[in-house]
Amino acid sequence: DSGVTQTPKHLITATGQRVTLRCSPRSGDLSVYWYQQSLDQGLQFLIQYYNGEERAKGNILERFSAQQFPDLHSELNLSSLELGDSALYFCASSPTGTTEAFFGQGTRLTVV
Amino acid sequence: AQSVTQLGSHVSVSEGALVLLRCNYSSSVPPYLFWYVQYPNQGLQLLLKYTSAATLVKGINGFEAEFKKSETSFHLTKPSAHMSDAAEYFCAVRLKGTARQLTFGSGTQLTVLP
Repeated sequence: DSGVTQTPKHLITATGQRVTLRCSPRSGDLSVYWYQQSLDQGLQFLIQYYNGEERAKGNILERFSAQQFPDLHSELNLSSLELGDSALYFCASSPTGTTEAFFGQGTRLTVV
Repeated sequence: AQSVTQLGSHVSVSEGALVLLRCNYSSSVPPYLFWYVQYPNQGLQLLLKYTSAATLVKGINGFEAEFKKSETSFHLTKPSAHMSDAAEYFCAVRLKGTARQLTFGSGTQLTVLP
Protein backbone atom coordinates (compact mmCIF):
# COMPACT_ATOMS: atom_id res chain seq x y z
CA ASP A 1 0.00 0.00 0.00
CA SER A 2 1.58 3.24 -1.21
CA GLY A 3 -0.59 5.44 0.99
CA VAL A 4 -2.07 7.24 -2.03
CA THR A 5 -5.81 6.67 -2.34
CA GLN A 6 -7.77 7.06 -5.52
CA THR A 7 -11.53 6.85 -5.93
CA PRO A 8 -13.39 5.43 -7.65
CA LYS A 9 -11.46 2.38 -8.83
CA HIS A 10 -13.66 1.92 -11.86
CA LEU A 11 -15.88 4.32 -13.75
CA ILE A 12 -18.04 3.67 -16.80
CA THR A 13 -19.68 6.62 -18.46
CA ALA A 14 -21.07 7.72 -21.79
CA THR A 15 -19.54 9.98 -24.39
CA GLY A 16 -20.14 13.66 -23.77
CA GLN A 17 -20.37 13.24 -20.02
CA ARG A 18 -18.23 14.75 -17.27
CA VAL A 19 -16.53 12.85 -14.44
CA THR A 20 -14.40 13.70 -11.43
CA LEU A 21 -11.56 11.53 -10.20
CA ARG A 22 -10.34 11.98 -6.66
CA CYS A 23 -6.92 11.51 -5.11
CA SER A 24 -5.78 11.66 -1.50
CA PRO A 25 -2.00 11.90 -1.28
CA ARG A 26 0.18 10.34 1.40
CA SER A 27 0.04 12.15 4.67
CA GLY A 28 2.26 15.23 4.52
CA ASP A 29 3.00 15.08 0.79
CA LEU A 30 2.43 18.49 -0.79
CA SER A 31 2.96 17.46 -4.41
CA VAL A 32 0.32 15.63 -6.43
CA TYR A 33 0.76 14.43 -9.99
CA TRP A 34 -1.77 13.04 -12.45
CA TYR A 35 -0.82 10.57 -15.16
CA GLN A 36 -2.81 8.87 -17.90
CA GLN A 37 -2.02 5.33 -19.02
CA SER A 38 -3.52 4.20 -22.31
CA LEU A 39 -2.63 1.47 -24.77
CA ASP A 40 -1.71 3.84 -27.57
CA GLN A 41 -0.05 6.67 -25.60
CA GLY A 42 1.52 4.75 -22.74
CA LEU A 43 2.06 6.57 -19.43
CA GLN A 44 1.83 10.31 -19.85
CA PHE A 45 2.16 13.12 -17.34
CA LEU A 46 -0.87 15.36 -17.23
CA ILE A 47 -0.44 17.93 -14.47
CA GLN A 48 1.24 18.62 -11.12
CA TYR A 49 0.05 20.58 -8.12
CA TYR A 50 2.12 21.68 -5.17
CA ASN A 51 0.40 22.89 -2.02
CA GLY A 52 -2.66 24.03 -3.91
CA GLU A 53 -0.94 25.67 -6.85
CA GLU A 54 -0.43 24.35 -10.35
CA ARG A 55 3.27 23.65 -10.78
CA ALA A 56 3.66 21.92 -14.15
CA LYS A 57 1.53 20.92 -17.12
CA GLY A 58 2.05 18.07 -19.50
CA ASN A 59 -0.10 16.65 -22.24
CA ILE A 60 -3.39 17.61 -20.67
CA LEU A 61 -6.32 18.33 -22.93
CA GLU A 62 -8.29 21.56 -22.56
CA ARG A 63 -11.34 19.43 -21.70
CA PHE A 64 -9.48 18.25 -18.61
CA SER A 65 -8.78 20.28 -15.50
CA ALA A 66 -7.53 19.65 -12.01
CA GLN A 67 -7.27 21.32 -8.66
CA GLN A 68 -5.74 20.69 -5.26
CA PHE A 69 -7.69 21.64 -2.19
CA PRO A 70 -6.49 23.05 1.16
CA ASP A 71 -6.56 19.56 2.70
CA LEU A 72 -4.19 18.57 -0.17
CA HIS A 73 -6.53 16.13 -1.87
CA SER A 74 -6.80 16.61 -5.61
CA GLU A 75 -9.48 16.15 -8.22
CA LEU A 76 -9.13 15.62 -11.94
CA ASN A 77 -12.15 16.73 -13.93
CA LEU A 78 -12.71 15.26 -17.37
CA SER A 79 -15.47 16.74 -19.51
CA SER A 80 -17.03 16.20 -22.94
CA LEU A 81 -15.68 12.67 -22.74
CA GLU A 82 -14.70 10.82 -25.88
CA LEU A 83 -14.08 7.14 -26.48
CA GLY A 84 -10.37 7.87 -26.66
CA ASP A 85 -10.35 9.15 -23.09
CA SER A 86 -10.79 5.58 -21.87
CA ALA A 87 -7.65 4.90 -19.85
CA LEU A 88 -6.19 4.26 -16.44
CA TYR A 89 -5.65 7.51 -14.55
CA PHE A 90 -3.00 7.51 -11.85
CA CYS A 91 -2.35 9.94 -9.10
CA ALA A 92 1.05 10.11 -7.42
CA SER A 93 2.34 12.09 -4.49
CA SER A 94 5.83 13.07 -3.55
CA PRO A 95 7.39 14.23 -0.29
CA THR A 96 9.08 17.61 -0.50
CA GLY A 97 12.83 17.34 -0.96
CA THR A 98 12.83 13.76 -2.22
CA THR A 99 13.04 12.21 -5.65
CA GLU A 100 10.43 9.52 -5.18
CA ALA A 101 6.84 9.45 -6.32
CA PHE A 102 4.30 7.10 -4.80
CA PHE A 103 1.45 5.97 -7.02
CA GLY A 104 -2.14 5.15 -6.23
CA GLN A 105 -3.94 2.12 -7.62
CA GLY A 106 -5.49 4.17 -10.38
CA THR A 107 -8.99 4.83 -11.66
CA ARG A 108 -9.99 2.87 -14.74
CA LEU A 109 -12.23 5.04 -16.88
CA THR A 110 -14.27 3.45 -19.63
CA VAL A 111 -16.16 5.72 -21.98
CA VAL A 112 -18.89 3.98 -23.96
CA ALA B 1 13.49 17.46 -23.35
CA GLN B 2 14.19 14.10 -21.86
CA SER B 3 13.02 10.76 -23.24
CA VAL B 4 13.27 7.08 -22.40
CA THR B 5 13.54 4.10 -24.72
CA GLN B 6 12.88 0.58 -23.51
CA LEU B 7 14.12 -2.04 -25.94
CA GLY B 8 11.79 -5.00 -26.18
CA SER B 9 8.13 -4.61 -25.35
CA HIS B 10 8.00 -8.29 -24.35
CA VAL B 11 10.72 -10.36 -22.70
CA SER B 12 10.39 -14.02 -21.76
CA VAL B 13 12.77 -15.86 -19.46
CA SER B 14 12.75 -19.22 -17.78
CA GLU B 15 12.40 -19.44 -14.03
CA GLY B 16 15.87 -19.20 -12.52
CA ALA B 17 17.37 -17.47 -15.55
CA LEU B 18 18.88 -14.00 -15.69
CA VAL B 19 16.49 -11.12 -16.21
CA LEU B 20 17.77 -8.19 -18.31
CA LEU B 21 15.44 -5.32 -19.19
CA ARG B 22 16.98 -2.54 -21.24
CA CYS B 23 16.51 1.19 -20.81
CA ASN B 24 18.25 4.05 -22.58
CA TYR B 25 17.61 7.68 -21.85
CA SER B 26 18.11 10.94 -23.62
CA SER B 27 18.70 14.03 -21.56
CA SER B 28 20.78 17.17 -21.88
CA VAL B 29 21.97 16.75 -18.30
CA PRO B 30 22.33 13.63 -16.13
CA PRO B 31 18.86 12.96 -14.80
CA TYR B 32 17.36 10.94 -12.01
CA LEU B 33 16.41 7.46 -13.21
CA PHE B 34 13.84 5.02 -11.90
CA TRP B 35 12.44 1.57 -12.50
CA TYR B 36 8.83 0.91 -11.60
CA VAL B 37 6.90 -2.37 -11.69
CA GLN B 38 3.20 -2.74 -12.41
CA TYR B 39 1.37 -5.95 -11.56
CA PRO B 40 -2.00 -6.62 -13.23
CA ASN B 41 -4.69 -4.24 -12.02
CA GLN B 42 -2.24 -2.54 -9.68
CA GLY B 43 -0.53 0.81 -9.43
CA LEU B 44 3.13 1.47 -10.03
CA GLN B 45 5.61 0.36 -7.40
CA LEU B 46 9.10 1.79 -7.21
CA LEU B 47 11.79 -0.88 -7.65
CA LEU B 48 14.86 1.32 -7.47
CA LYS B 49 16.22 4.75 -8.28
CA TYR B 50 19.46 6.41 -9.35
CA THR B 51 20.09 9.86 -7.95
CA SER B 52 23.78 10.40 -8.77
CA ALA B 53 25.25 8.51 -5.86
CA ALA B 54 26.50 4.96 -6.55
CA THR B 55 26.16 3.91 -10.19
CA LEU B 56 25.10 0.38 -9.22
CA VAL B 57 21.75 0.62 -7.52
CA LYS B 58 20.10 -2.18 -5.59
CA GLY B 59 16.36 -2.31 -5.27
CA ILE B 60 13.62 -4.47 -3.89
CA ASN B 61 12.94 -8.11 -4.77
CA GLY B 62 16.56 -8.76 -5.79
CA PHE B 63 16.62 -6.30 -8.70
CA GLU B 64 19.50 -3.99 -9.45
CA ALA B 65 20.40 -1.51 -12.17
CA GLU B 66 23.60 0.11 -13.32
CA PHE B 67 23.82 3.70 -14.52
CA LYS B 68 26.24 4.02 -17.44
CA LYS B 69 26.65 7.62 -18.47
CA SER B 70 28.79 6.82 -21.51
CA GLU B 71 26.05 4.55 -22.86
CA THR B 72 23.14 6.64 -21.50
CA SER B 73 21.73 3.40 -20.17
CA PHE B 74 20.07 2.17 -16.99
CA HIS B 75 19.41 -1.52 -17.56
CA LEU B 76 17.54 -3.57 -14.95
CA THR B 77 18.81 -7.01 -13.97
CA LYS B 78 17.99 -9.85 -11.63
CA PRO B 79 20.24 -12.92 -11.42
CA SER B 80 17.46 -15.48 -11.06
CA ALA B 81 13.89 -14.95 -12.23
CA HIS B 82 10.97 -16.03 -10.11
CA MET B 83 7.42 -16.65 -11.27
CA SER B 84 6.28 -13.73 -9.13
CA ASP B 85 8.45 -11.35 -11.20
CA ALA B 86 5.99 -11.58 -14.10
CA ALA B 87 4.74 -8.02 -14.54
CA GLU B 88 5.22 -4.90 -16.63
CA TYR B 89 8.31 -2.86 -15.95
CA PHE B 90 8.71 0.83 -16.68
CA CYS B 91 11.87 2.87 -16.83
CA ALA B 92 11.41 6.56 -16.04
CA VAL B 93 13.52 9.69 -16.05
CA ARG B 94 13.18 12.92 -14.14
CA LEU B 95 15.22 16.03 -14.57
CA LYS B 96 16.91 17.56 -11.58
CA GLY B 97 15.52 20.90 -10.51
CA THR B 98 11.99 22.17 -10.49
CA ALA B 99 10.55 19.93 -13.24
CA ARG B 100 9.75 16.95 -11.08
CA GLN B 101 7.38 14.98 -13.26
CA LEU B 102 8.40 11.59 -14.59
CA THR B 103 8.81 10.71 -18.25
CA PHE B 104 8.17 7.00 -18.76
CA GLY B 105 9.32 4.50 -21.30
CA SER B 106 6.78 2.39 -23.13
CA GLY B 107 7.19 -0.53 -20.75
CA THR B 108 8.45 -4.10 -20.99
CA GLN B 109 6.16 -7.01 -20.22
CA LEU B 110 8.15 -9.73 -18.48
CA THR B 111 6.93 -13.32 -18.75
CA VAL B 112 8.54 -16.00 -16.60
CA LEU B 113 8.24 -19.52 -17.96
CA PRO B 114 8.20 -22.53 -15.63
